Amino acid sequence: GAGVSQSPSNKVTEKGKDVELRCDPISGHTALYWYRQSLGQGLEFLIYFQGNSAPDKSGLPSDRFSAERTGGSVSTLTIQRTQQEDSAVYLCASSSGSRGTDTQYFGPGTRLTVL
Amino acid sequence: AQKITQTQPGMFVQEKEAVTLDCTYDTSDPSYGLFWYKQPSSGEMIFLIYQGSYDQQNATEGRYSLNFQKARKSANLVISASQLGDSAMYFCAMRESIRTGANSKLTFGKGITLSVRP
Repeated sequence: GAGVSQSPSNKVTEKGKDVELRCDPISGHTALYWYRQSLGQGLEFLIYFQGNSAPDKSGLPSDRFSAERTGGSVSTLTIQRTQQEDSAVYLCASSSGSRGTDTQYFGPGTRLTVL
Repeated sequence: AQKITQTQPGMFVQEKEAVTLDCTYDTSDPSYGLFWYKQPSSGEMIFLIYQGSYDQQNATEGRYSLNFQKARKSANLVISASQLGDSAMYFCAMRESIRTGANSKLTFGKGITLSVRP
């Protein structure tokens, strides 16, 4: 079946602009995660959604970052007033549940470049 | 303190030989899981293998096996019969509180670059 998909694959924006990144999880997966991968920081957790529960936003680096998940499926990560340090690859993952043994499957990522 | 440590900056292996990629971890939680992912130059993270802290045996998946030494807090990935397509970045990751599911995020190490020579 289809894996996790993300769009756009690449995004170049100017400092101060807002951007939206989209993630389509694997069909039927109830858990969805956003991570950020940058040269200096490695892979960092951003936010996690599980079903209808309140999201775990503990990894969001600032209030410029927000995410939503509509209808328990597609998720959008929004970065407002982008800064150069936001440049990174943003990875989305989904899993069938939130049990510790549930494997997270990753999408191809969105490479964000802030000029 | 770093929860996942991968200190090998780059590894080289001859095709068809075995290679071990090191991972040590730090947690006081008795219930945790360890994951290895492969990231080729295309960028996608590919799940390889999982080991739970309560698993009695070391995990194996095809050419991948995990040398799990709980007392030493190490979970090294062993790739047997290396192939050219194994050239990639390899990440070790941990999830804590796996029995309660209270903490679902993965914490990643910095990764190790593996290059397979023909």
